Amino acid sequence: DTAVSQTPKYLVTQMGNDKSIKCEQNLGHDTMYWYKQDSKKFLKIMFSYNNKELIINETVPNRFSPKSPDKAHLNLHINSLELGDSAVYFCASSLFNQPQHFGDGTRLSIL
Amino acid sequence: GNSVTQMEGPVTLSEEAFLTINCTYTATGYPSLFWYVQYPGEGLQLLLKATKADDKGSNKGFEATYRKETTSFHLEKGSVQVSDSAVYFCAPSSKLTFGKGITLSVRP
Repeated sequence: DTAVSQTPKYLVTQMGNDKSIKCEQNLGHDTMYWYKQDSKKFLKIMFSYNNKELIINETVPNRFSPKSPDKAHLNLHINSLELGDSAVYFCASSLFNQPQHFGDGTRLSIL
Repeated sequence: GNSVTQMEGPVTLSEEAFLTINCTYTATGYPSLFWYVQYPGEGLQLLLKATKADDKGSNKGFEATYRKETTSFHLEKGSVQVSDSAVYFCAPSSKLTFGKGITLSVRP
């Protein structure tokens, strides 16, 4: 009965590779988000989708591309991974302007 | 736009000590205010909220009152436990970047 689930939980890969992180929510929310949290716990918004439409696209390299096939899913694809991409990536969902529900995070390590 | 300012961390306390984590906000209008908590290895979860001035949110022994006159939403707990060790984030409803939060460590 997990509300927001993201996979994989851990991702270890080499520089230059392409990887994807998947996120699904079963709460019936209309808005989904991707966040990046650095080693100092700073949590920054990357993207937000409302009803499958991109509504927030912060200053994020073009190598990051979100895709929302339907309201319950928001995936994140990352091309040409760099050392600085190492972080924990969180997916979240909410009804618009309401408290967010977060997944447990994907810990990305670039070798 | 709406934003919050949190006190600088980290905060280290002994078990059963009193906790206050300060949060002040600037806003146009009166947004809902939230405190989130992030336990080690997990995502953020909503701890408590207040939707209008003078509202008090409470959960798990934590409280915060939405004070319009001081534009504050300070988080308090009368007696912290080791299990309260976590990162705490204050946020208005419209703000999507949470900043770095406050790391609380409680010693036995």
